[in-house]
Amino acid sequence: DAGVIQSPRHEVTEMGQEVTLRCKPISGHNSLFWYRQTMMRGLELLIYFNNNVPIDDSGMPEDRFSAKMPNASFSTLKIQPSEPRDSAVYFCASSWGPEREFFGPGTRLTVL
Amino acid sequence: GQQVMQIPQYQHVQEGEDFTTYCNSSTTLSNIQWYKQRPGGHPVFLIQLVKSGEVKKQKRLTFQFGEAKKNSSLHITATQTTDVGTYFCAGIEGGSEKLVFGKGTKLTVNP
Repeated sequence: DAGVIQSPRHEVTEMGQEVTLRCKPISGHNSLFWYRQTMMRGLELLIYFNNNVPIDDSGMPEDRFSAKMPNASFSTLKIQPSEPRDSAVYFCASSWGPEREFFGPGTRLTVL
Repeated sequence: GQQVMQIPQYQHVQEGEDFTTYCNSSTTLSNIQWYKQRPGGHPVFLIQLVKSGEVKKQKRLTFQFGEAKKNSSLHITATQTTDVGTYFCAGIEGGSEKLVFGKGTKLTVNP
């Protein structure tokens, strides 16, 4: 199994631009999580899906952030418009129920 | 909401010394998980504890889950340079599927 796949691995963009992060979970997993990691705030859960349905989006910072999971093998996290304070590493993780989570390699986002 | 506190935030040790990180939850947990993140890497699952008072070992690593299922610890005996990284605990409340991560303990090992 290839594990959780994220793209792009690095993204540099200018303030105000739209950013789309992509994730392919491990086949057969029914839960998908989006995290943001910064030095100041640590690892924060933004949103998680169960069977493609958003269950808890209380961690999504504001309306500029949106996430979708159109099918069991793909999810996106979109930031529009992006701001410098959105600079962070964004991880996608998947699991089978409340078991161990498998993290992707992350997307390092820099907003200038 | 549920909070998971982890201490210390940083720990510097000489190679060969022991290391312990502690995790406390504001609520009773159904299980607790530990992850390790190497510098520049992503969190990798180490272990899951489910039972009250449970103790599990992985070579030089010993994991404990408190009797009240609200705290946990990770102890590393005789650290090595390969132990460098940030160790996170993460707990799940009963009835939830959401892992709540502690802030992590960043371990550095001086050779």
